[in-house]
Amino acid sequence: SQQGEEDPQALSIQEGENATMNCSYKTSINNLQWYRQNSGRGLVHLILIRSNEREKHSGRLRVTLDTSKKSSSLLITASRAADTASYFCATDGGRLGRRALTFGSGTRLQVQP
Amino acid sequence: EAGVAQSPRYKIIEKRQSVAFWCNPISGHATLYWYQQILGQGPKLLIQFQNNGVVDDSQLPKDRFSAERLKGVDSTLKIQPAKLEDSAVYLCASSQEVRSGNTIYFGEGSWLTVV
Repeated sequence: SQQGEEDPQALSIQEGENATMNCSYKTSINNLQWYRQNSGRGLVHLILIRSNEREKHSGRLRVTLDTSKKSSSLLITASRAADTASYFCATDGGRLGRRALTFGSGTRLQVQP
Repeated sequence: EAGVAQSPRYKIIEKRQSVAFWCNPISGHATLYWYQQILGQGPKLLIQFQNNGVVDDSQLPKDRFSAERLKGVDSTLKIQPAKLEDSAVYLCASSQEVRSGNTIYFGEGSWLTVV
C-alpha cells in the first residue's frame, strides 16, 4: 500500500518560478526522503529529512517536515526546464530490519521554458 | 562508482509466458530491493534482501513471482505465468545496509509489457 500521497498530482509552471509539492503520510516515520524520476529512468535520491528535523536545504531544494500533521513539502526555487520530472516522497518507518522505503504516488512537474 | 545494473531494459511477452529480470547491485551493498512501478504510480516494494536472506516479501505475489539472490550479490526476479496486470517497470535498488536513513540507489528499470 502507498504510505505517502503527493499533492498536486501534476504541476505546470514557467521557468524561473518556484514549485511546491506536498506529501502526506499515515504512520509514524523515522525519516522522509524525496526522490526524482525522469521519464523512462530510475529514481534518484534528492534529500532526506529526519523525524526530529523541521526544515532542510540542499541547493535550490527546501524540504519541510511537520510530524504533527504527518506532512512534508518540497520547494524547488527558480525552476529550470531540466527540473521537469516526477517527484516522489518516501517514508522509512519500519521496525529494525524492515526499513524499505514506502513511496507515494508522485507529483509530475512540467517546467515550461 | 558503477550504479545498479539491470537487464533486460525492455521485454514484451504474451500472457501466461514467463520472464526473468537480472540485477547487479552497487559493489559492497548488502541490501537489495525489487520494486514494481505501474505507470502513473509510485514504486511498490516486492521483496527486500539482506545479503542472501529475505527480509521482507510480504507484498510479493508468491503464486507467480519468485526472486533469489545468489551469494548475496546478483539477484533475479521471475514471473511465471505472467498476467496482463504485471505490465510495469521492475526497479532494482540497493543500499549499503539496512538502517534508517540509508540512501537507496536505483537502476534504470526493466520495462515489461504483457500482451
